[in-house]
Amino acid sequence: DGGITQSPKYLFRKEGQNVTLSCEQNLNHDAMYWYRQDPGQGLRLIYYSQIVNDFQKGDIAEGYSVSREKKESFPLTVTSAQKNPTAFYLCASSLEGATDTQYFGPGTRLTVL
Amino acid sequence: GQQVMQIPQYQHVQEGEDFTTYCNSSTTLSNIQWYKQRPGGHPVFLIQLVKSGEVKKQKRLTFQFGEAKKNSSLHITATQTTDVGTYFCAGCSSNTGKLIFGQGTTLQVKP
Repeated sequence: DGGITQSPKYLFRKEGQNVTLSCEQNLNHDAMYWYRQDPGQGLRLIYYSQIVNDFQKGDIAEGYSVSREKKESFPLTVTSAQKNPTAFYLCASSLEGATDTQYFGPGTRLTVL
Repeated sequence: GQQVMQIPQYQHVQEGEDFTTYCNSSTTLSNIQWYKQRPGGHPVFLIQLVKSGEVKKQKRLTFQFGEAKKNSSLHITATQTTDVGTYFCAGCSSNTGKLIFGQGTTLQVKP
């Protein structure tokens, strides 16, 4: 059963802590993306990766970090430097690049207490 | 930078009425994609338009890509309660190759 998974679905963290969100895909896609969704603001790109061991900053990368050591995995770390981290985080993948259809995971809702 | 604007932000309709959302880009697009996100869910791909002036239909949904490849629309005929959700357009810039999402239009349908 192919797809893209994110865990956990809900995540709570205390202010000042780093937290890592998981994203795994078994679609054999080269490209992977992280988006942040806030009410009324649509999807904003945090980071993206076109191939393994390479990634690029999106529009709102400050306070976030990523790694792409394996094709299937693209974890996102929300650091304590992110001023307003409470949001819905969506991971997506596409076959090659941005012109291809993006397949989204179910998302992780992060709440900072 | 490139912007993709989508209007309206919200739309409430009576079941059976039609609905249209519009998407406008500040730059020429190589293609435009449409996604639907149900409440509490994640965006799901609906369709991609590539050619200037292209029109595609999926049952009650009609998608158009403008002649200048800078705007697009999604029209739903005779809405049903299953159409509820947020519809996003996403334009791929001809210059940068990046996909930029619009803010989305949230559709509510009263039964």
